[in-house]
Amino acid sequence: GDSVTQMEGPVTLSEEAFLTINCTYTATGYPSLFWYVQYPGEGLQLLLKATKADDKGSNKGFEATYRKETTSFHLEKGSVQVSDSAVYFCALAKGYSGAGSYQLTFGKGTKLSVIP
Amino acid sequence: GAVVSQHPSRVICKSGTSVKIECRSLDFQATTMFWYRQFPKQSLMLMATSNEGSKATYEQGVEKDKFLINHASLTLSTLTVTSAHPEDSSFYICSARAGTGGLYGYTFGSGTRLTVV
Repeated sequence: GDSVTQMEGPVTLSEEAFLTINCTYTATGYPSLFWYVQYPGEGLQLLLKATKADDKGSNKGFEATYRKETTSFHLEKGSVQVSDSAVYFCALAKGYSGAGSYQLTFGKGTKLSVIP
Repeated sequence: GAVVSQHPSRVICKSGTSVKIECRSLDFQATTMFWYRQFPKQSLMLMATSNEGSKATYEQGVEKDKFLINHASLTLSTLTVTSAHPEDSSFYICSARAGTGGLYGYTFGSGTRLTVV
């Protein structure tokens, strides 16, 4: 079945450091890929997405490129801030469930802590 | 933007009792809602998909009689954990989606931490 593997956390970085959170996936066909972020005490929020190979999703300084050849969707940010401290989830969606939606398959999440 | 309210955020209950968790879409009509469960250091696992006015579709391995899902209106879905046991202790999170077809955004609630003692 479909699966998403992302790097184990927690990740602790100093402010203004470069961030990479690795994400690889296993799926047949052509999934769409997502990064969600969960700030403390809040629900998951869509951070960025890419729907086909070589697409780059970007938002709030974060970027991720859909690499079909390596089945990866690594999240990067050039200079993290304390406010970026959160849990980040990589996810894929594929197919049509028949219930009017696509189903999301999530990775385990990576906790990021940014210290001043 | 779209907001999903999930209540309660935390609940502690005794073994054998039932607990109801509500998921409301506040500013949009959610034709489809999803219920997830997250174990510590594990990914979110989809439990069931519910469409307004019809029976929920449960994922393999999820007990329908234990996790009752009702999606009676376009803005409210409820998950009832019946005869709860300590192994049901987990983080439950709902997601709502407006519209049909295409990759509309999924909006998540803030989750419910259930502890069964």
